[in-house]
Amino acid sequence: KQEVTQIPAALSVPEGENLVLNCSFTDSAIYNLQWFRQDPGKGLTSLLLIQSSQREQTSGRLNASLDKSSGRSTLYIAASQPGDSATYLCAVYGSSNTGKLIFGQGTTLQVKP
Amino acid sequence: DTAVSQTPKYLVTQMGNDKSIKCEQNLGHDTMYWYKQDSKKFLKIMFSYNNKELIINETVPNRFSPKSPDKAHLNLHINSLELGDSAVYFCASSRSGGRAQETQYFGPGTRLLVL
Repeated sequence: KQEVTQIPAALSVPEGENLVLNCSFTDSAIYNLQWFRQDPGKGLTSLLLIQSSQREQTSGRLNASLDKSSGRSTLYIAASQPGDSATYLCAVYGSSNTGKLIFGQGTTLQVKP
Repeated sequence: DTAVSQTPKYLVTQMGNDKSIKCEQNLGHDTMYWYKQDSKKFLKIMFSYNNKELIINETVPNRFSPKSPDKAHLNLHINSLELGDSAVYFCASSRSGGRAQETQYFGPGTRLLVL
């Protein structure tokens, strides 16, 4: 059974710092991995989707990496800003080729001005 | 323009009642999903429909019944509400067959509180 874990559960950093959020999954037979952002009281916004054949994806100040063999992904945020404060969720598509996403419990990030 | 919308945004009701949550997407997507986020913020898939056909049905009580009148709408009906049903329910959609290559787009959520 696939399980997704995110560490740390919460993180507080001063503005301008570079930071890394971690995601691990127990079954390396995944199709893809997706990073989401969730703002308080709001829905989820997709940030990056990494295909299983890819090792990383970049969008602006965000860079996500994927290492299937070790069951890990990281989300790197460069030059953090207060507007980056949110909960970041990692989710994997399971071994069956369906849209079933399995989520981690998220890392809540606070960027202080 | 809201891509995936849900109504209502908040729902407070008594135990034992029956309630429905509606979801609509204007993205032209073929697949829609319902997720539940519990008090510990853990998100779990409940159902998905592709062109009005059920394709994912996780282990949820049969008090929960999804209905898809057309591919742009996926409603969730809950019978005999229980305290443990209190959660945030998210609707999502993806472009075609609900395959793992696709980005899922989420609605704003419906916050259900059962008293």
